[in-house]
Amino acid sequence: DAGITQSPRHKVTETGTPVTLRCHQTENHRYMYWYRQDPGHGLRLIHYSYGVKDTDKGEVSDGYSVSRSKTEDFLLTLESATSSQTSVYFCAISELGQNYGYTFGSGTRLTVV
Amino acid sequence: QKEVEQNSGPLSVPEGAIASLNCTYSDRGSQSFFWYRQYSGKSPELIMFIYSNGDKEDGRFTAQLNKASQYVSLLIRDSQPSDSATYLCAVNRAAGNKLTFGGGTRVLVKP
Repeated sequence: DAGITQSPRHKVTETGTPVTLRCHQTENHRYMYWYRQDPGHGLRLIHYSYGVKDTDKGEVSDGYSVSRSKTEDFLLTLESATSSQTSVYFCAISELGQNYGYTFGSGTRLTVV
Repeated sequence: QKEVEQNSGPLSVPEGAIASLNCTYSDRGSQSFFWYRQYSGKSPELIMFIYSNGDKEDGRFTAQLNKASQYVSLLIRDSQPSDSATYLCAVNRAAGNKLTFGGGTRVLVKP
């Protein structure tokens, strides 16, 4: 997927446990994003980053935190997973500029039981 | 009102026909518009983008943008069974490099 990988691909976790999802890119793109995709809601932005240590909230950021200590890595953490966070999580990268679309990673399917 | 709206479908079209997908958006300041295709269980992939009023053609795909009416459409000519997928419309607002997605339209192309 154009130099973007997500890990893990699948994860089952218990309610209340912390979970970290990783997004790694080899494209040296400035912008990185975390989305979740749920039936009936489409893709919704959780957090995004516009540079190392520069992050901001999206529309569904409650219960999530992110970190970007290197250009290539963007981590999404669920501090205390809840069943409502069961979803497919996509990472995306973008080059600078409004006319550039995103390239998506393969996704992480997270199930919170 | 959702920021980006699409008919969820499914849109059923016979093989070889034209599939027409529509998307409306609420933010008049939106600058650029994207169409993604997503196969079941896969990640979205970019197929078209457009930022000027009018038509933009790429192979069998044509994107149409009408900013005054706040809609963008996608035409798929000579539809093939391999075009069966969910098509996501995405809009980039004037501020920042963040895309807002519609819920997607599921397209089924029947042989």
